[in-house]
Amino acid sequence: AQSVAQPEDQVNVAEGNPLTVKCTYSVSGNPYLFWYVQYPNRGLQFLLKYITGDNLVKGSYGFEAEFNKSQTSFHLKKPSALVSDSALYFCAVSYRSSGSARQLTFGSGTQLTVLP
Amino acid sequence: SQTIHQWPATLVQPVGSPLSLECTVEGTSNPNLYWYRQAAGRGLQLLFYSVGIGQISSEVPQNLSASRPQDRQFILSSKKLLLSDSGFYLCAWTHDPNYGYTFGSGTRLTVV
Repeated sequence: AQSVAQPEDQVNVAEGNPLTVKCTYSVSGNPYLFWYVQYPNRGLQFLLKYITGDNLVKGSYGFEAEFNKSQTSFHLKKPSALVSDSALYFCAVSYRSSGSARQLTFGSGTQLTVLP
Repeated sequence: SQTIHQWPATLVQPVGSPLSLECTVEGTSNPNLYWYRQAAGRGLQLLFYSVGIGQISSEVPQNLSASRPQDRQFILSSKKLLLSDSGFYLCAWTHDPNYGYTFGSGTRLTVV
């Protein structure tokens, strides 16, 4: 069965420091991986995706993620955190369910707090 | 360009009352449509998805139902709300999940 895990419910980092939000996955076949961000009382916004190619993917707002096939990970990173980066972050993987429709499965989310 | 609309943004309803939340997509045709619920600002629970008019798949049996009366319209309903139906409801669409979803802005439902 396909799954995605975000092992940390909460990540705190000081402004200006690098940040990492962790994600590991389990899928059969080649994964399609995504990161989304959610601000309070808002919908999820797309940050970046990995489909194929370069293992380092660059996305919106200075975020990047590294696909590591051997460790089945897709960690989200940013070299210098901003207070405005504080939000809920979701990792997701595309898979085919028991029916005919392919869909995304989401991790449980990681609350990132950047401290001034 | 494609846009997705959800309304209302917030809703307070008494226990036992009916519910109707609407989601529409503009600027595209034959989208895959999804309803999610998010409790307490945490994980997403897939409730329903649809790959075409009249085609609804339910992921979790519960007090809710979904309908797709038109190609770009997805409705979430309940005949009698429960306190446990409170949460943040999100609609999403895509043509191909391999390229991700686009989410609506969500509806905050409070059942009192």
